[in-house]
Amino acid sequence: EVHLVESGGGLVQPGRSLRLSCAGSGFVFDDYAMHWVRQAPGKGLEWVSGISWNNGTAGYADSVKGRFTISRDNAKNSLYLQMNSLTPEDTALYYCAKGAMPTIHEVGSFDHWGQGTLVTVSS
Amino acid sequence: SYVLTQPPSVSVTPGKTARITCGGYNIGRKTVHWYQQKPGQAPKVVIYYDSDRPSGTPERFSGSNSGDTATLTISGVEAGDEADYYCQVCDSSSDRWVFGGGTKLTVL
Repeated sequence: EVHLVESGGGLVQPGRSLRLSCAGSGFVFDDYAMHWVRQAPGKGLEWVSGISWNNGTAGYADSVKGRFTISRDNAKNSLYLQMNSLTPEDTALYYCAKGAMPTIHEVGSFDHWGQGTLVTVSS
Repeated sequence: SYVLTQPPSVSVTPGKTARITCGGYNIGRKTVHWYQQKPGQAPKVVIYYDSDRPSGTPERFSGSNSGDTATLTISGVEAGDEADYYCQVCDSSSDRWVFGGGTKLTVL
């Protein structure tokens, strides 16, 4: 059974940094693209970033480009999101999601999701 | 950037058919996935590749995609179908993924 477990969320002041992690199990981690999706309180889903199976390609939403960096360590079955220069608009529940295909270019769905880790940016 | 437009809410009585639309320029040329999110839960895919059902999705759920509109249809709606539904596409021109704003399905 596929499991995705996010960690690293918390309360952080504006302008500071935070690093999220996602541990995957129950599947061959380095066969699939991985993504981060966030959901602000009471709002809809927003794709944040995705990375292909071999770290070869990464994509970012305009709202985070230049501030967030996605990475993965296939040896550790782990996905990361380094978030810098955080603003209150980054406050959200951050989900880790498994792509159904190896690269972010391919149009497979996000077939498994974690339960999310909450990031709150506030002074 | 590519934009997907969904109605904020759809209401239906039990046993009737609910249709949730997702509008986007030439969306019929893209592949659409649909997600269901119940309160306090993570989203789960209910329709992928426009009209395919993952194992576990009831046959009451179906999808179509043509022109500028994709549609999620739920036949014989049940109380347990009450949830938020999101459409999603990959904007291949920018290597970005896009979600619609979501539709809250209310079963009256």
